[in-house]
Amino acid sequence: DTEVTQTPKHLVMGMTNKKSLKCEQHMGHRAMYWYKQKAKKPPELMFVYSYEKLSINESVPSRFSPECPNSSLLNLHLHALQPEDSALYLCASSQDSDREHYGYTFGSGTRLTVV
Amino acid sequence: QKEVEQNSGPLSVPEGAIASLNCTYSDRGSQSFFWYRQYSGKSPELIMFIYSNGDKEDGRFTAQLNKASQYVSLLIRDSQPSDSATYLCAAYMIKAAGNKLTFGGGTRVLVKP
Repeated sequence: DTEVTQTPKHLVMGMTNKKSLKCEQHMGHRAMYWYKQKAKKPPELMFVYSYEKLSINESVPSRFSPECPNSSLLNLHLHALQPEDSALYLCASSQDSDREHYGYTFGSGTRLTVV
Repeated sequence: QKEVEQNSGPLSVPEGAIASLNCTYSDRGSQSFFWYRQYSGKSPELIMFIYSNGDKEDGRFTAQLNKASQYVSLLIRDSQPSDSATYLCAAYMIKAAGNKLTFGGGTRVLVKP
């Protein structure tokens, strides 16, 4: 079982809906990440939180809003999405955003479909 | 030029043979490198990491790093049908805007019984 838990596993939402993706880790990691992955493409970084502060925003549209309530939790709030936002959304964590010798641990992802 | 490049494949390998995957990167400041395995519809799973020049072995997997040539490779010995997946190479890059892990496009591997 993965040590990074994402909920829900699947989500279908309309373009006027508001929904949230949730991610939780209990490994004591201090950095957490959101990635977006389209079919047959590599994961693309969206946001980086380091010590509960947003450190990287990869020019993501404002319809995606991240939140880090504490060091174990990471949310991604979704509003007014477009069909092209349909993808696998991956959460990951690592010990520290400045020391990456051990890689990131990924959650199982949320498969999002926007209709 | 992409920051991390891989041949997309598919790389077709007979069962029991060695699969050889290659990856190049453009940023000489990249410090460490990772190989992830991803099954269709699943999330990436870390197989190996390497940050020193040379070889690193873990079971049937060997990672090789050549920083002068900006080249990383992964060898899978005694390939099994269960090794059929997409293998993602990733480089950890130090950037002024923030450090991050950047992925290559992935190589699809098919191991045929």
